[in-house]
Amino acid sequence: DSGVTQTPKHLITATGQRVTLRCSPRSGDLSVYWYQQSLDQGLQFLIQYYNGEERAKGNILERFSAQQFPDLHSELNLSSLELGDSALYFCASSVRQGAYEQYFGPGTRLTVT
Amino acid sequence: GESVGLHLPTLSVQEGDNSIINCAYSNSASDYFIWYKQESGKGPQFIIDIRSNMDKRQGQRVTVLLNKTVKHLSLQIAATQPGDSAVYFCAESRNSGGSNYKLTFGKGTLLTVNP
Repeated sequence: DSGVTQTPKHLITATGQRVTLRCSPRSGDLSVYWYQQSLDQGLQFLIQYYNGEERAKGNILERFSAQQFPDLHSELNLSSLELGDSALYFCASSVRQGAYEQYFGPGTRLTVT
Repeated sequence: GESVGLHLPTLSVQEGDNSIINCAYSNSASDYFIWYKQESGKGPQFIIDIRSNMDKRQGQRVTVLLNKTVKHLSLQIAATQPGDSAVYFCAESRNSGGSNYKLTFGKGTLLTVNP
């Protein structure tokens, strides 16, 4: 158990809908990262927050947004969902900002039908 | 495009044998190279890292070798056990400013350990 929690574990929704994925980092970790994992694209970095502020952006679509709250939990919002958005979404955390040793949560499996 | 790639998508070994998982990279500006392990149904787990100015680093039952001449990275697992069965990702990390390291993952190699 990495100490990072993600909810929900599974999510099934229809195209065009909007969903919110939630992540609680390990106790004491200030950085939160979001990744998308799919069979064709592998593990892709989406966005990083550190102590409430956005620090780095990767291959995140404009339909996707995220934020980190004062209690350090983070939410990833996915809107106007398309079939291709079906994937595993992982949250990771670290103590330092932008650390390469990251602790990953169990992921949320999103299925868009 | 992706700067980190893997030679083989699958590797099958016998329990007790040594495993070698290979990775090629193209970006000479990487500061660190990292190996992650992902077991079925779980998130990736950090295994070991190596700084770009090193050739070799050893951990518990694992050794990472870095050959900058041919831009090749390998992970050696000694006395492979069934619990080592997983997908192994190599990743590279670059300082994108202010000590902020961004990770770029390769596609992954599936290691299967046969009893």
